[in-house]
Amino acid sequence: GQQLNQSPQSMFIQEGEDVSMNCTSSSIFNTWLWYKQEPGEGPVLLIALYKAGELTSNGRLTAQFGITRKDSFLNISASIPSDVGIYFCAGQSGANSKLTFGKGITLSVRP
Amino acid sequence: DGGITQSPKYLFRKEGQNVTLSCEQNLNHDAMYWYRQDPGQGLRLIYYSQIVNDFQKGDIAEGYSVSREKKESFPLTVTSAQKNPTAFYLCASSIIGKTGLVQQYFGPGTRLTVT
Repeated sequence: GQQLNQSPQSMFIQEGEDVSMNCTSSSIFNTWLWYKQEPGEGPVLLIALYKAGELTSNGRLTAQFGITRKDSFLNISASIPSDVGIYFCAGQSGANSKLTFGKGITLSVRP
Repeated sequence: DGGITQSPKYLFRKEGQNVTLSCEQNLNHDAMYWYRQDPGQGLRLIYYSQIVNDFQKGDIAEGYSVSREKKESFPLTVTSAQKNPTAFYLCASSIIGKTGLVQQYFGPGTRLTVT
């Protein structure tokens, strides 16, 4: 079946640094979504992307829909301690509304 | 306030008992989903429903059952046939556009512990 690859599993950065995450697939997706999950809570939708090449920002977060439609990138600028959490990518293809999720990247921010 | 509610937040059951997890949304979304999350794992789809009175199995449906009698409600029953029921369960809903999913939103989750 389809799979989304997110690596590394964990990232450790210093407060104030920028961080980039990517999500890759061997399959083409029509929609890419990025979520953040904090411990014991449900994932929160950060950014949704619908067109190849699309670049969308949400505050300090910027995400891009890869030109090949097989990848997406999330950048967080000037990180702060509350950016800590698990960041998931998800993709959707075809008319079915099912999403395929990556396994997530756990981000730690050192003050 | 619009959103997705799941209750309760924590649920404890004895092995061999069926248990039903509640999920309600007032977003007027057509589609609803149930996922299971285990430590260090991504989200695995259990069941989903794109319209009232219809639902489809996801990747790990064995040992679970659902119903979709109302647009706003999609309860999940974890049956005694589910071998490893202890997990964090997430409900989600989404708008479906002409070309497929538009956006998917999650509830706060229910942590089920079976002993």
